[in-house]
This record gives sequence, C-alpha cells and structure tokens, in this order.
Amino acid sequence: GENVEQHPSTLSVQEGDSAVIKCTYSDSASNYFPWYKQELGKRPQLIIDIRSNVGEKKDQRIAVTLNKTAKHFSLHITETQPEDSAVYFCAATQDDKIIFGKGTRLHILP
Amino acid sequence: GAVVSQHPSWVICKSGTSVKIECRSLDFQATTMFWYRQFPKQSLMLMATSNEGSKATYEQGVEKDKFLINHASLTLSTLTVTSAHPEDSSFYICSASPSSQPQHFGDGTRLSIL
Repeated sequence: GENVEQHPSTLSVQEGDSAVIKCTYSDSASNYFPWYKQELGKRPQLIIDIRSNVGEKKDQRIAVTLNKTAKHFSLHITETQPEDSAVYFCAATQDDKIIFGKGTRLHILP
Repeated sequence: GAVVSQHPSWVICKSGTSVKIECRSLDFQATTMFWYRQFPKQSLMLMATSNEGSKATYEQGVEKDKFLINHASLTLSTLTVTSAHPEDSSFYICSASPSSQPQHFGDGTRLSIL
C-alpha cells in the first residue's frame, strides 16, 4: 500500500520568512496530493491540492510542487504569519483513500 | 456545499460500554465514506472504508468486530466502538465527498473511556 513520509516533524520560522515542508510517496499510482492544516482538536482543513498531471500550483502565499518521477511533493508558505501556526499534513490518495504523512508542527516566531 | 456532519463531538463513558458515532453528508449523497482515528500528537490513520449497502473494508490491523461500521443510506455511516476500553480513547473522524476528491471531513468525535 501507499506510504507517505513527511519532513520535518517540527519547523520554527520567523514571522515573514518562508516555510517549506517536504513529502515523499511510494505508490506511483497515487494521483492526487492534498495538503491539510489542522488546529488543535479540530478537523483537517484542505489548504491546497495538486493532481499528478500538474507540476506546480499556487494560491496566494501557498504553493505546492510535485515531482512525479522522484515521487516528491512540497508545500511552500511565504510571508508567514502568526495564524499559520498549526500542524500540516501532506497526503496521497489511492482509490479515494487518503494516506496521511505524520505531520509537521509549524511554529511562527514573533 | 459538501458539508459533513459528525455526532457526537465528545463522548465520555465507562470501560465496557459501546459507543456509536454518526457521520452524515448533509447536502450530497455518498456511496463511500471513510473513518479515521487520530491519537494525540499523531497523524490521522485510516481505519476503514464504509460502503453503502455492503460490508465495510477494514485496513490491516483494525478489528472489524471491535469497530462496527454500518452504511445503510447514502447520507449516513455509523461507527460503533464495541466494549470500549481506555486504549480506544482517541479522536475519530469521518470523511466523504460528492465526487471522489477532495474529501470533506466531519468535526470529529473525541472519545474518552474511563
């Protein structure tokens, strides 16, 4: 089955700087890669997604890149703000089942 | 649109009790729903795929007799944790989608077994 690795597990960045979270997946059949933000005790919120026929996607301060050959995908957050502090999960999907990475706890430092 | 409602949001009960959690798609029909479990400071782990009108498909290591899933209608799936014990305490969350992706999550149920 699919296996998703995510790094780093914790990331601290100065407010205004950029944050990058990296993931790898194992199953070349996976074709949809969502990223979720989860605040404590709440549901995961989809923040951006990318399909396997696209290499890059951007939505304001958030961008995602996908390298199908290497089975890598990354989340980039620019101009970080205090409200970006949360846990972020990457995921890969097979047959609609979402397989999550272990998560990255992002701290935005004042 | 694409709202998924989950109930209850919080359950505290004694060891040995069975607990039922409901997942409803409010404005769409879902032939498939998914159930996840999340322990503190960990990721969401897929437990099972709930299939309307047929048996659920369980992930490896998930006891089907412990976690009963019923998907009797196109808008409702239920997860029953039978004879719950303290190690079953966790955050349980469901997802569904009107069109495969993206999945929409319920608010989750925090289960505490005393």
